Amino acid sequence: GEQVEQLPSILRVQEGSSASINCSYEDSASNYFPWYKQEPGENPKLIIDIRSNMERKQIQELIVLLDKKAKRFSLHITDTQPGDSAMYFCAASYTGYQNFYFGKGTSLTVIP
Amino acid sequence: AQTIHQWPVAEIKAVGSPLSLGCTIKGKSSPNLYWYWQATGGTLQQLFYSITVGQVESVVQLNLSASRPKDDQFILSTEKLLLSHSGFYLCAWSLGGQNTLYFGAGTRLSVL
Repeated sequence: GEQVEQLPSILRVQEGSSASINCSYEDSASNYFPWYKQEPGENPKLIIDIRSNMERKQIQELIVLLDKKAKRFSLHITDTQPGDSAMYFCAASYTGYQNFYFGKGTSLTVIP
Repeated sequence: AQTIHQWPVAEIKAVGSPLSLGCTIKGKSSPNLYWYWQATGGTLQQLFYSITVGQVESVVQLNLSASRPKDDQFILSTEKLLLSHSGFYLCAWSLGGQNTLYFGAGTRLSVL
């Protein structure tokens, strides 16, 4: 099956700076790439996603970039706030396929 | 609006005892349903998925089984729990062909 690598596993940034998380995948058929945020003790919540017909997507302070040739996608959080502190997971799947492959997660801490 | 309900919220069980976890989704007809498992601090591992009543596909069994007795219900069970079954069990749903995955609140299981 698909393999998704996510780096870094731990990320600490100063409040107001940007945070970047990178993911790579192996299966060129993957065409859907969601990002989830999980706070301690809670379920993962979808925060942004991108499909392969796009290279960039932005929702407020969240930016996702997709490079299909390199099989990489990334999440960028601009102007980070303490409330952004959480675990972040990237995933890959493709339309009509029922398996979602998740990265191992990034623990983000925003230092006030 | 669609709602997903998981029960119980938490369980403490003895090794060798049986287990049954449930998930109900309301507000969506014929959703795809999934079971995920997450070890403490770990990634999200897909266990089972179902696209229709009575049909369940296994991704990773971990000595567990799943059933879909009704369109809106998904059950995860085992007759004999192992210590390794401890973790966070998440039910999720998506609409066929849409891929977007939404998680329930989860069941936290401790096997002693």
